[in-house]
Amino acid sequence: DTAVSQTPKYLVTQMGNDKSIKCEQNLGHDTMYWYKQDSKKFLKIMFSYNNKELIINETVPNRFSPKSPDKAHLNLHINSLELGDSAVYFCASSQDPAGGYNQPQHFGDGTRLSIL
Amino acid sequence: RKEVEQDPGPFNVPEGATVAFNCTYSNSASQSFFWYRQDCRKEPKLLMSVYSSGNEDGRFTAQLNRASQYISLLIRDSKLSDSATYLCVVNPSSNDYKLSFGAGTTVTVRA
Repeated sequence: DTAVSQTPKYLVTQMGNDKSIKCEQNLGHDTMYWYKQDSKKFLKIMFSYNNKELIINETVPNRFSPKSPDKAHLNLHINSLELGDSAVYFCASSQDPAGGYNQPQHFGDGTRLSIL
Repeated sequence: RKEVEQDPGPFNVPEGATVAFNCTYSNSASQSFFWYRQDCRKEPKLLMSVYSSGNEDGRFTAQLNRASQYISLLIRDSKLSDSATYLCVVNPSSNDYKLSFGAGTTVTVRA
């Protein structure tokens, strides 16, 4: 009964390759997110979709392209992988804000991407 | 100035001790505040939301000080299992969906 699940958990690949990470949530949330956590442990928002619509698009190289086929899925495709892309990528989901207050985000267990 | 700043620690405390730490935020209009916990090589997990009047959840107490723009977390009667990195989370702008995460405060509880 995993709430937010992402695959794969580990991804080791060579520079220049293209790879995808998948995320699915069964919480019934309308909003999903992708975060990057690098070696300095800062968790940075990359993208967010609300009901399949892009609502947050931070300054991220356009080699990164999110896709949301439905509100329960948010995938991340990365083209031409670079050494600096090595990090842990977390997917998260939340309910919509209520009364002007954000709702907590629930995280998947991360995809550890290593670029050789 | 960063949106969310935390003392990285580490705070090394013996079992049973009380440990407390703060987090400052830059946007006075922020409305939503959370503490998350992240264990080594794991995902962040919600510890507790922080309400205006302060709130408690067992051994954990969170406070919000709007005037000085900080939130705090206090852990009483520390357990070995409390060893983790505690992330301060704030909504930084009028975009209601975005949350900003601090870099975390590391707490190590020793036997």
